[in-house]
Amino acid sequence: SQQGEEDPQALSIQEGENATMNCSYKTSINNLQWYRQNSGRGLVHLILIRSNEREKHSGRLRVTLDTSKKSSSLLITASRAADTASYFCASFRPYQGGSEKLVFGKGTKLTVNP
Amino acid sequence: DAGVIQSPRHEVTEMGQEVTLRCKPISGHNSLFWYRQTMMRGLELLIYFNNNVPIDDSGMPEDRFSAKMPNASFSTLKIQPSEPRDSAVYFCASSDVGASGVYNEQFFGPGTRLTVL
Repeated sequence: SQQGEEDPQALSIQEGENATMNCSYKTSINNLQWYRQNSGRGLVHLILIRSNEREKHSGRLRVTLDTSKKSSSLLITASRAADTASYFCASFRPYQGGSEKLVFGKGTKLTVNP
Repeated sequence: DAGVIQSPRHEVTEMGQEVTLRCKPISGHNSLFWYRQTMMRGLELLIYFNNNVPIDDSGMPEDRFSAKMPNASFSTLKIQPSEPRDSAVYFCASSDVGASGVYNEQFFGPGTRLTVL
């Protein structure tokens, strides 16, 4: 079962508003990544934040990471209709034999109304 | 770069038939991942390879599923025999492992939409 959990599961906002999505996880991580998926397409990587980082920016995207609360948030500022998509968080957790195990959340479906 | 290439894009088959999905990762990437996505279960990691070696196959649902990576530029996911509940979109992704052993971002292919009747 997926351990990364995004909330809300669905979010509907008006163009120009900010959208905030959250992700929680249960075990220690090496890094956490956010992905976007348009309907019927593959996932596209948005941003990666390492466990020793607290905040990262990329254009209109802002990601925070709180390892003490085991949570991350993705903020999209000044949203546009083209931001309508599903957003997933994914985290690599240390695994047996020195490898890493990737866990995806179930995603937040964002709808930006024009 | 052409990105991750998957074939076929769509596959419709009958229950009991063998299905083979193919993936060509991005040149230079040393890790490859197979995922399955359905409305009910979301995105599930099936198996991943590092330098052509399977690292974690705990997500492979049953013995009917098998995956191979004979070389750095090709991988297959095979379902034999296929069942209606295998209907899903199957994604392949590739990535490179950094010098510190930490995985970087993954690049996804367009997916194969499988329908088993």
